[in-house]
Amino acid sequence: AQSVTQLDSHVSVSEGTPVLLRCNYSSSYSPSLFWYVQHPNKGLQLLLKYTSAATLVKGINGFEAEFKKSETSFHLTKPSAHMSDAAEYFCVVSPPTSGTYKYIFGTGTRLKVLA
Amino acid sequence: SAVISQKPSRDICQRGTSLTIQCQVDSQVTMMFWYRQQPGQSLTLIATANQGSEATYESGFVIDKFPISRPNLTFSTLTVSNMSPEDSSIYLCSVSDRGRLSNEQFFGPGTRLTVL
Repeated sequence: AQSVTQLDSHVSVSEGTPVLLRCNYSSSYSPSLFWYVQHPNKGLQLLLKYTSAATLVKGINGFEAEFKKSETSFHLTKPSAHMSDAAEYFCVVSPPTSGTYKYIFGTGTRLKVLA
Repeated sequence: SAVISQKPSRDICQRGTSLTIQCQVDSQVTMMFWYRQQPGQSLTLIATANQGSEATYESGFVIDKFPISRPNLTFSTLTVSNMSPEDSSIYLCSVSDRGRLSNEQFFGPGTRLTVL
């Protein structure tokens, strides 16, 4: 079965310090992986996606993630946190089965940025 | 990309009633999905809306409770039937298109439902 685990439900960082949000996946096939952000009372926005091209993926707003098959991980990083980064972040796996392109969401990580 | 709108954006309903949520996309897409996000929780897929045929429901969701229509490639509705307070959630639709959008999904802004 396909699944995705976000290891931290809450992460707090100071403004200007690095951000690390951890995600591990389980998939029998080579999956597509995504990170989405949800700001309070806003919709979901795609940050970045991995679809079997380069293992280091750069996204919007300075975020990037590295696909590590040996560790089954797809951690999200940013060198320097900004106050506007405070939001809920979801790691998503989309296994290429049945051609349905369904998403399986992680439980989410709430990022708090301290001034 | 795709631009998705949902109506209503929020509603407060009485238990036992039903609410129909509309999802409109600005271009034809092959796939439309409906999700539920319970308070403080992640998103759970309810069903895949299939154009011209019955929706495909995920485990734990049934057609009698969440009937779905998809009359064309740009529009879908989700009805939450015989509501109870446990149905209070944000309901989101998303779209994907194998050809144009790869397997990336684009999400609507959501419908915030409160059941009293």
